[in-house]
Amino acid sequence: GDSVTQMEGPVTLSEEAFLTINCTYTATGYPSLFWYVQYPGEGLQLLLKATKADDKGSNKGFEATYRKETTSFHLEKGSVQVSDSAVYFCALLKHGAQKLVFGQGTRLTINP
Amino acid sequence: DARVTQTPRHKVTEMGQEVTMRCQPILGHNTVFWYRQTMMQGLELLAYFRNRAPLDDSGMPKDRFSAEMPDATLATLKIQPSEPRDSAVYFCASGTSPRGRPLNEQFFGPGTRLTVL
Repeated sequence: GDSVTQMEGPVTLSEEAFLTINCTYTATGYPSLFWYVQYPGEGLQLLLKATKADDKGSNKGFEATYRKETTSFHLEKGSVQVSDSAVYFCALLKHGAQKLVFGQGTRLTINP
Repeated sequence: DARVTQTPRHKVTEMGQEVTMRCQPILGHNTVFWYRQTMMQGLELLAYFRNRAPLDDSGMPKDRFSAEMPDATLATLKIQPSEPRDSAVYFCASGTSPRGRPLNEQFFGPGTRLTVL
C-alpha cells in the first residue's frame, strides 16, 4: 500500500543551523506531496506542497523538491529559528483520492 | 479568517461515559475528516465525509465510535462507552473536493484533547 517514511526524530538544532528532514514515499502513480507543520497545542497547517515531479514547494523559508527518481520530498531550510520548533509531517495524496497518507512526524526543537 | 472550529478543546471523563466531540467545518467545504493523534500511533484517519455522506470509516472502531454530519455546518464524533485507550487528541479537518477533481487541501481544527480516566 501507499506509505510515507520520515526521518526519525527528535531533531535538535541551534538557531541559524541548516535543516533537512528526510521524507520518502511509496505509491503507485504520481501523487501530490505535502509538508504539514504542527505547532504546540495546535492542529496541522499546510506548509508547502508539490503536485508533480521536479516541482519545488516553498513557504516561510522552507523548501522541498518532488524527486520522482528517488521518491523523495525532503524538507530544507537554510537558517532555522526558535519559532520553527514544531512537529513536521510529510504526506501524499494519490491522484483522484481524498485521503492523505501521513508519515509519522518529526519533532524539531531549535535552541537559541 | 475562515477556520475549522472544534468543541470542546479539552474533555476529561470517566471510563464508560459517553463523549461527543463537535466540529464546524469551514463554510463551503464539502469534505470533512476525523483524525486521532496519539504518541504511540501517530496520526490516524478515523472517518471522512463528502457532501455529508460517509465515504470511509474503516479506521474507526465500530462498536463504540460513531461519526455523523447532521448538516453541512456540523460534524460529530461520538464514543460510547469511552475507555482509557481512547485518550488522544481528536482533529477535524475540512476541504473542498469539486466533483471529479481531487481534494485541494485539508484545513485542520485545533483538536479536542480527550482524557478518559
